[in-house]
Amino acid sequence: DTAVSQTPKYLVTQMGNDKSIKCEQNLGHDTMYWYKQDSKKFLKIMFSYNNKELIINETVPNRFSPKSPDKAHLNLHINSLELGDSAVYFCASSDLGSGGLTQYFGPGTRLLVL
Amino acid sequence: QQQVKQSPQSLIVQKGGISIINCAYENTAFDYFPWYQQFPGKGPALLIAIRPDVSEKKEGRFTISFNKSAKQFSLHIMDSQPGDSATYFCAALTQGGSEKLVFGKGMKLTVNP
Repeated sequence: DTAVSQTPKYLVTQMGNDKSIKCEQNLGHDTMYWYKQDSKKFLKIMFSYNNKELIINETVPNRFSPKSPDKAHLNLHINSLELGDSAVYFCASSDLGSGGLTQYFGPGTRLLVL
Repeated sequence: QQQVKQSPQSLIVQKGGISIINCAYENTAFDYFPWYQQFPGKGPALLIAIRPDVSEKKEGRFTISFNKSAKQFSLHIMDSQPGDSATYFCAALTQGGSEKLVFGKGMKLTVNP
């Protein structure tokens, strides 16, 4: 019954590798987000998709590429991983079309780049 | 440039005490101010939210006070419990745009039994 789910929960990889994180929501929401939480717990938005269209694209290296195959999924692909990419990545969703401002967060993916 | 400033960074209170977290914002276009609670190893979850047309909102032991002229808002946790120990984030967004949530840096609350 998980509302927003992410896979994998943990990801340990070497510098230079390419990896993907998947996110799915079963809330019927029309908008999905990716956030990065650094080691100091600071949360910052990276991307947002509304009905599969990109609406927020913060200053993020172009090594990060989001993809939304449908409204219920938003994946994050990271190329050429760097040490500084180590963080917890959270997916979230909201129902903007109905005026819903609450964002529902997934459990996070803990990425460690060695 | 941090658009939402949060203080203190950490707080330790005794069970039954009052916890107060303060936030200040710069952008007067912000019109929705939520507070999120995050337990270790979990994602943030909405706790309570307020719009600038009201000065206070209460839900159970949690109260938001909002001062539009000072561009400040705060969260009060009454009768703090050990189960309230978590990191608390204030945030702000502007409706009608991309609804981008801007978060404060968070405050780690520890409630001792």
